[in-house]
This record gives sequence, C-alpha cells and structure tokens, in this order.
Amino acid sequence: EVQLVESGGGLVQPGGSLRLSCAASGFTFSSHWMHWVRQAPGKGLVWVSRIDHDGGSRTYADSVEGRFTISRDNAKNVLYLEMNSVRADDTSVYYCTRGGDGSFDQWGQGTLVTVSS
Amino acid sequence: DVQLTQSPSTLSASLGDRVTITCRASQTIANSLAWYQQKSGKAPKLLIYKASTLESGVPSRFGGSGSGTQFTLTISSLQPDDFATYYCQHYSTYTVTFGPGTKVEI
Repeated sequence: EVQLVESGGGLVQPGGSLRLSCAASGFTFSSHWMHWVRQAPGKGLVWVSRIDHDGGSRTYADSVEGRFTISRDNAKNVLYLEMNSVRADDTSVYYCTRGGDGSFDQWGQGTLVTVSS
Repeated sequence: DVQLTQSPSTLSASLGDRVTITCRASQTIANSLAWYQQKSGKAPKLLIYKASTLESGVPSRFGGSGSGTQFTLTISSLQPDDFATYYCQHYSTYTVTFGPGTKVEI
C-alpha cells in the first residue's frame, strides 16, 4: 500500500524556520517526481514546489522562491521542505504528493504549519 | 502562466442529480487537466487525469471531458459520498495550477 506520511509541522514565529518531512513507502520512491502542495485554512489548493527523481531539477512557486528548499533522500525514501523566513501567509496544511501522469495520484494526510508570534 | 477558473463556485444539488462542473483555462492546454475531490479535513483524491481518464478505483459515475481551454467534470447520479469540493488542476513543464474549487452541497 502506498503511504505518504508528513511530519514536522507546528507553530513557528514570523521570520523563523521549519523543516517538513514526508516518509514514503509502498512504491519505488526514486522513480517519481514529488511535490508539496499547501492549503490555507478555508482556502483552495496551492502548488508549492516539485523535485525530479534524483533531485537534479527543482521548481518553486513564486511565493516561496528563495525562501523554501525542496530536497529528497532516495536512500531513506524521504522528501523534505525546508522553510525559511516564514510569513503569516505561509500558514497552511502542507501536503506531500506523488507526481503521476500530469497529476498527483497519491497524497499524504498533511501537516499544519502555523506562523504566528 | 495558465490561470484556471471554475464554475459554479457552489452548486446545490440533490441525490440522483446529474452534476456538471466547468473548468476554463486562460490558454490552450491540450488535455493536460486533472480533477480532484476533497472532503472537509481530508487530503484531495485524484478522480480524472488527462482530462478524461478515470483513475483506478474511482466510480464510473464520474466522467471528464474537454480539451483546449474548456473542460467538464460530470457526476452522472449524485451519491451521498459525493458532497465535497472539486478542484481542477493543470501541470506544465514550468508550474502547476489549481482552480479555485467548486463546492457541491445539498
């Protein structure tokens, strides 16, 4: 069974840092592009970042470019999102998702990040 | 960047109704469109990809159509489990875009 389990969310002060993790199992992690998608409370889905199979290609939404860094460890089957200089509008549930054929075919349960002083 | 709009934003329907949700792209995107269902407090679930291909395990009452700039998600006979918010999504070489969502309620 495919599983994506996010962790690392919590309360962080504006300007602070946080690292999210996503543990993958039940599939060949190194064969898939992986993404982070977020959802602010009561709002819609927003794509954040993606990384290719071996980490050689990474893309970010304009809103997080230069502040967030996506990475992966294929030996440990883990996806990461390093969040720096966080702002109040980064408050969201962050989902780890598996890239499929132009879509996201598996999702984690999400981890909540709250940016507040 | 491609922008996606959805209509309606909210849809009131009854059990057994045929429901249609429209997604429009700001420029032609061929068939590079997916649809998701999200229930409150849960992660989204992929329903349709490549505009019309049903994801494995998704009930056949869900259908997708369209190409270019206009796409539709159809639920042929609304069931109790279908009351949720539905999102369209486009994936390109450079970015990913979601529509704003359509809430299907009683």
